[in-house]
Amino acid sequence: TQLLEQSPQFLSIQEGENLTVYCNSSSVFSSLQWYRQEPGEGPVLLVTVVTGGEVKKLKRLTFQFGDARKDSSLHITAAQPGDTGLYLCAGAGNTNAGKSTFGDGTTLTVKP
Amino acid sequence: GAGVSQSPSNKVTEKGKDVELRCDPISGHTALYWYRQSLGQGLEFLIYFQGNSAPDKSGLPSDRFSAERTGGSVSTLTIQRTQQEDSAVYLCASSFYTDTQYFGPGTRLTVL
Repeated sequence: TQLLEQSPQFLSIQEGENLTVYCNSSSVFSSLQWYRQEPGEGPVLLVTVVTGGEVKKLKRLTFQFGDARKDSSLHITAAQPGDTGLYLCAGAGNTNAGKSTFGDGTTLTVKP
Repeated sequence: GAGVSQSPSNKVTEKGKDVELRCDPISGHTALYWYRQSLGQGLEFLIYFQGNSAPDKSGLPSDRFSAERTGGSVSTLTIQRTQQEDSAVYLCASSFYTDTQYFGPGTRLTVL
């Protein structure tokens, strides 16, 4: 069974601060996704990383996939209240018969 | 094109009653997933359909839970003899093989 651990579980910061959340596993994934979920809605895909060592940027968000494709991080610069939500990472299986595995999420609150 | 849709958006039922939750995946997607999410928590995998293969039912918490996927498209999750601990948001997602999962808005189930 492939497991993903996310840390921290909860994070509360002031507007303008920087933060990093982590997604770690002992298993190798063919790709890894980050989602954000707002209350009352389903998770929405932010990014997919595929190549070991890959870095992707979306405005103030920077995503990194570990060289060994076992871990990932999400860094937010100058957080804003609109960044508040539950951040989930998910790892895709290595075969077509595999299913994705989700971490338990990081709940981020950005206070104005 | 249309995204994943789920119905109903909210369902309130009495303990002991049966409920059916519906998911319409994105057209052409081969895989369909059901998850359960308690308030502020991560996603608990329930069941996974991939094409014509036998579904992966390893996440179903009890034999009161079942799901079917008609014609490789629409899916129904059935919970028999509902219990209060079944109260949660039930999320459906679809994907093309093991590519990115796209989520519906969820059905919030409340068992009184």
